[in-house]
Amino acid sequence: QKEVEQNSGPLSVPEGAIASLNCTYSDRGSQSFFWYRQYSGKSPELIMSIYSNGDKEDGRFTAQLNKASQYVSLLIRDSQPSDSATYLCAVEGTSYGKLTFGQGTILTVHP
Amino acid sequence: KAGVTQTPRYLIKTRGQQVTLSCSPISGHRSVSWYQQTPGQGLQFLFEYFSETQRNKGNFPGRFSGRQFSNSRSEMNVSTLELGDSALYLCASSLGAGEDNSPLHFGNGTRLTVT
Repeated sequence: QKEVEQNSGPLSVPEGAIASLNCTYSDRGSQSFFWYRQYSGKSPELIMSIYSNGDKEDGRFTAQLNKASQYVSLLIRDSQPSDSATYLCAVEGTSYGKLTFGQGTILTVHP
Repeated sequence: KAGVTQTPRYLIKTRGQQVTLSCSPISGHRSVSWYQQTPGQGLQFLFEYFSETQRNKGNFPGRFSGRQFSNSRSEMNVSTLELGDSALYLCASSLGAGEDNSPLHFGNGTRLTVT
């Protein structure tokens, strides 16, 4: 079992729709959870961080965390073509600076 | 505030050579981490430094090493390069120890090609 697994892609949604990205992790001691966006040929860019159970909203993005189910998700509302990228789920346990990444989900938003 | 700066952006080396990559963290950030990204393996953790000390290390051979200077700048060295070392090497910085909820911020990376 992979330490961090993301829903297999690619994911394609029409412009204006909600994109839903999911991630599960195996280490119950994990403390911090992040979503990064990576455009082709670019480095990962932090878009959301979440540390406690529940929802966290930032603009069109909502991260959801359920530690009991070892599950974290990202919702993108009113999806735009500029949201087309690879989304990486990252989990930090008790080791500072060490993130374990999922394989990423490729999202395409078509006009 | 300037972001994480990595140099050089691109490198082409030959098998058997060694290479040194450089990273300057965001001002005030004391933790620097290094990651390798390949299409097959994704993003993998190499090591993390804080106050010139390596605190964590990933599952990479001893050919991969690093260090951090007193100004928090970091270098990563790969010796005896192999074709499989071709990858994007990413440096990330964060506030570090004692700073909860301090996410990593990545630099633009160094694209290493080994021929």
